[in-house]
Amino acid sequence: QSALTQPRSVSGSPGQSVTISCTGTSSDVGGYNYVSWYQQHPGKAPKLMIYDVTKRPSGVPDRFSGSKSGNTASLTISGLQAEDEADYYCCSYAGSYTLLFGGGTKLTVL
Amino acid sequence: QVQLVQSGAEVKKPGSSVKVSCKASGGTFSSYSFSWVRQAPGQGLEWMGKIVPIFGTTNYARKFQGRVTITADESTSTAYMELSSLKSEDTAVYYCARAFGGNHDFDYWGQGTLVTVSS
Repeated sequence: QSALTQPRSVSGSPGQSVTISCTGTSSDVGGYNYVSWYQQHPGKAPKLMIYDVTKRPSGVPDRFSGSKSGNTASLTISGLQAEDEADYYCCSYAGSYTLLFGGGTKLTVL
Repeated sequence: QVQLVQSGAEVKKPGSSVKVSCKASGGTFSSYSFSWVRQAPGQGLEWMGKIVPIFGTTNYARKFQGRVTITADESTSTAYMELSSLKSEDTAVYYCARAFGGNHDFDYWGQGTLVTVSS
């Protein structure tokens, strides 16, 4: 199984919105509503931001939202803030109780 | 509060094995599955496999099948990951991560354990 495809980097200015895509296949992203997104700051463990495509854990700002269309899931961050600068990873259920991560996207807040 | 505390950094020779532990506190151990995710230096996250302690069942990524063994000890609320036939490419930070029940997302992560494979 190959990693899910994410853009290597995205950027935006404070207050703007950015969207990070995550493309898989009908065997993973497209086949199940089990896509999650993680934020990782340098030297830290990942943090869950979105699960089950669109759901936000308690404590995650509503500036973060998730969606999916076909084999591509997306994470949108609105009202960008400096602390949003981090690496973001998507993760999808891939059947047979296995999971698959995306390659990661570096978000730069200009 | 919930904590996943992992064992310390390891330096291993190529061809050897490493076993990393992950002790959970806060929450009922048997209510969760525990996965292992690794991250090579400057690289992305890679799911290796998981265990559901209450059933003792394991699932592994195809890439690691035959080389990784994930176990759990409910009496000490500890999950373990053993990786054998180590190569330099296995140098990475290894994380344990918890998922509730049959969920496929990780609400808590360990602090990570650096495993360095070098001759």
